Amino acid sequence: QKEVEQDPGPLSVPEGAIVSLNCTYSNSAFQYFMWYRQYSRKGPELLMYTYSSGNKEDGRFTAQVDKSSKYISLFIRDSQPSDSATYLCAMNPPNFGNEKLTFGTGTRLTIIP
Amino acid sequence: NAGVTQTPKFQVLKTGQSMTLQCAQDMNHEYMSWYRQDPGMGLRLIHYSVGAGITDQGEVPNGYNVSRSTTEDFPLRLLSAAPSQTSVYFCASSRGSIGYGYTFGSGTRLTVV
Repeated sequence: QKEVEQDPGPLSVPEGAIVSLNCTYSNSAFQYFMWYRQYSRKGPELLMYTYSSGNKEDGRFTAQVDKSSKYISLFIRDSQPSDSATYLCAMNPPNFGNEKLTFGTGTRLTIIP
Repeated sequence: NAGVTQTPKFQVLKTGQSMTLQCAQDMNHEYMSWYRQDPGMGLRLIHYSVGAGITDQGEVPNGYNVSRSTTEDFPLRLLSAAPSQTSVYFCASSRGSIGYGYTFGSGTRLTVV
């Protein structure tokens, strides 16, 4: 079993819809949780960074962490065609920071105009 | 500010050949890492460095070597290419450990025939 599980999709939603992307993990020691966005044939770019449980909002994006359930989510409000990309969750293992991130496999999202 | 620069962008190798993937960053980041990305496998860490002269192995280090003689450069060497090393390779750098995300390069697409 992988340490981080992410539904690969693909996920297609109409423009303007609310998108929910999720990851589950098995290591309860994970402390920092990130979401990266990757456009086709590009490198990932950091979208959101959260620590511990709770919500963090940045514009149309909300990251949610539930450590008791080992479950993290990324919500995209008022989705736009420019949000079409692969979204990867990432988290750091115990005793390490960013130098050893564990990534999910990514969810491919398409926003239909 | 160029960020993280990877060269070449594309490469075809024959089995048994060796080559070096170049990575340079101009942000004075201490942390640098190499990942490979394969369909259904996500991003997997090959090697990482927390500063000049300091390197360590990641999840899939076999068949690869690294060195970090300067803060700016972190080349990845394939010793004897195998078809299993066909992948997209990403170099990433980070300012520090806890609390900072990675900046990724645009990737090198490598095919080993």
